Amino acid sequence: GIQVEQSPPDLILQEGANSTLRCNFSDSVNNLQWFHQNPWGQLINLFYIPSGTKQNGRLSATTVATERYSLLYISSSQTTDSGVYFCAVEPRGSTLGRLYFGRGTQLTVWP
Amino acid sequence: DGGITQSPKYLFRKEGQNVTLSCEQNLNHDAMYWYRQDPGQGLRLIYYSQIVNDFQKGDIAEGYSVSREKKESFPLTVTSAQKNPTAFYLCASRGKGLAGVRDTQYFGPGTRLTVL
Repeated sequence: GIQVEQSPPDLILQEGANSTLRCNFSDSVNNLQWFHQNPWGQLINLFYIPSGTKQNGRLSATTVATERYSLLYISSSQTTDSGVYFCAVEPRGSTLGRLYFGRGTQLTVWP
Repeated sequence: DGGITQSPKYLFRKEGQNVTLSCEQNLNHDAMYWYRQDPGQGLRLIYYSQIVNDFQKGDIAEGYSVSREKKESFPLTVTSAQKNPTAFYLCASRGKGLAGVRDTQYFGPGTRLTVL
């Protein structure tokens, strides 16, 4: 199946810092989503972004489909941003809707 | 209030017992999914269903079973054949998201299963 690699695996920041998380995928995709998993385990949708750029407050994401990568930007980080960030993709041509997940980036933001 | 509910939140099981995890959604989504998450890992797909009375195995279906008798419900049974069942189990459904974006997958809060 399609391979999804996220980097870095761990990221430690001080409040107010900016960060960039990367997701590389091995094949063309129909669907790419970014999720945030909070300390209680809940996965929250951040972006549905198979291509292009989107912004939502302090978060933004860019997917360059032709080069098979996506970036998640977090600006002016806050302690509530801590958690694990997952990238998940659906291979192009699939109609099943199943997502393939990367191993995530563990973000810790200190006050 | 639309969403996905999972119960119980925590579940303890003795070896050799079957247990069933509940997943209910009122989002009117056709497709539903079960994932397993182990510490420090991404999510792995157990089973999925695109429509009532139909489901397919995912990557790690051995030792698990599901049913899809109603659109709203997709219960997962962890059988005694599953060799290492202690994990965090997440249910999801797929449909048009709040912003009108199709093919968005939404997750329930999860069930933590521990085998004693």
